[in-house]
Amino acid sequence: KQEVTQIPAALSVPEGENLVLNCSFTDSAIYNLQWFRQDPGKGLTSLLLIQSSQREQTSGRLNASLDKSSGRSTLYIAASQPGDSATYLCAVNTGNQFYFGTGTSLTVIP
Amino acid sequence: DAGVIQSPRHEVTEMGQEVTLRCKPISGHNSLFWYRQTMMRGLELLIYFNNNVPIDDSGMPEDRFSAKMPNASFSTLKIQPSEPRDSAVYFCASSLVESYEQFFGPGTRLTVL
Repeated sequence: KQEVTQIPAALSVPEGENLVLNCSFTDSAIYNLQWFRQDPGKGLTSLLLIQSSQREQTSGRLNASLDKSSGRSTLYIAASQPGDSATYLCAVNTGNQFYFGTGTSLTVIP
Repeated sequence: DAGVIQSPRHEVTEMGQEVTLRCKPISGHNSLFWYRQTMMRGLELLIYFNNNVPIDDSGMPEDRFSAKMPNASFSTLKIQPSEPRDSAVYFCASSLVESYEQFFGPGTRLTVL
């Protein structure tokens, strides 16, 4: 069974700092990987989707990378802002199964 | 363009009662997912449909839970009878089966007393 891990569980950084969130998975046979953010009491908002054939995807200040062989994905956030404060989750799709990490709670301090 | 719509947004019921949660996926999407989120267990996939057909219901916790998708624009998740341990936030998500890029609804917060 695929296991998805996100470390650290919580992260606090000063505004303007660049940061990296990590997502690890145990089985490299994945179809794609998706990053989400979740604000308190809200649903999940899709940030980036990386197909298994891709190495990275970019959207604005966000860049997600994928290394299937090592079972890792990273989400890079440039020039962090207080509005980036949220929980970030990664989800691995194996083609017919979907596994979510437990998330990293990010706080950006003004 | 409307996103995934869920109703009700909040539901408070008593143990033993039937609960029905509703979801309208994004128009044109042909995959639909039901998830449950709790502090203890995180986000769990309960069931998903492709083209209105249930593909994997291995996450449905018990026979008390059932899900239907009678057409491409509507799905229900029913709990009968409900129990306090069913208290959670239930999310519906939809995607194109070709990409499985999932878009989530706002969720239904269920409290079973």
